[in-house]
Amino acid sequence: QQQVKQSPQSLIVQKGGISIINCAYENTAFDYFPWYQQFPGKGPALLIAIRPDVSEKKEGRFTISFNKSAKQFSLHIMDSQPGDSATYFCAASHPPNTGNQFYFGTGTSLTVIP
Amino acid sequence: NAGVTQTPKFQVLKTGQSMTLQCAQDMNHEYMSWYRQDPGMGLRLIHYSVGAGITDQGEVPNGYNVSRSTTEDFPLRLLSAAPSQTSVYFCASTPLWEPGNTIYFGEGSWLTVV
Repeated sequence: QQQVKQSPQSLIVQKGGISIINCAYENTAFDYFPWYQQFPGKGPALLIAIRPDVSEKKEGRFTISFNKSAKQFSLHIMDSQPGDSATYFCAASHPPNTGNQFYFGTGTSLTVIP
Repeated sequence: NAGVTQTPKFQVLKTGQSMTLQCAQDMNHEYMSWYRQDPGMGLRLIHYSVGAGITDQGEVPNGYNVSRSTTEDFPLRLLSAAPSQTSVYFCASTPLWEPGNTIYFGEGSWLTVV
C-alpha cells in the first residue's frame, strides 16, 4: 500500500511556465514533508521541506503548499528552466523521523522544454 | 568531501550469482540504509541500520543481507541474484541529531541480473 501518492507520473512544461506536482497521504502521524530532486545518473538530493505548522514554504523558485485538512501537499516550480528537468519525489515521515519512517512517492519525471 | 560513496556503479550478474554492493560514508552519520528504485515504484527501503552492530529490515528485504561492523560502512549482499533484483540501488545516510533528518544518498549502483 502506497503511503504517499504522487501525481502526475510525468510532466512536460515550457520554459518559463509553472510546474506543479501533487502528493497526498493518509497517515495523520506524518509531520515532515520533504521533496527530493534527482538528476539522471545521480542520487536524490533534498530540495525543500515543510512541517505542518505552516501552509507554505518558499525557497527561490520552489514553493511547497501544504493543506493539512485535505492531507495534500504540492511542489510548485515557478519560471521553470531546462535545468529543472529531473525526477522529483515527495516524501513523508513521522517521528522520530529517522530513515525508516520515511515514505516516498513514486516520482514525477519533469521535462522543461526550451 | 565525499559524502556517501557506492561501488560498483554498474554490474551485470547471472542468475544465482552472489555479490556485494559497497557503501561508505564519511559524515559520521549513525543511520544508514539501502533503497532500490524501480520505475513506477519510487524508492523502497531494503534494510537499515541505526548504528554499528544494529541492522533491521525495511519494506523489501527478501534476497538481501546487510551488516554494519563500523559506523562508516554498510555493504549490501545479494545472496542468489534473481532477475527481479534488476534495479538501481541507493545507499543513504542520515544524521540522527540534525533537525529534519535529511537523507543523503549515494550516486547509485545499476544492477542487471540476466
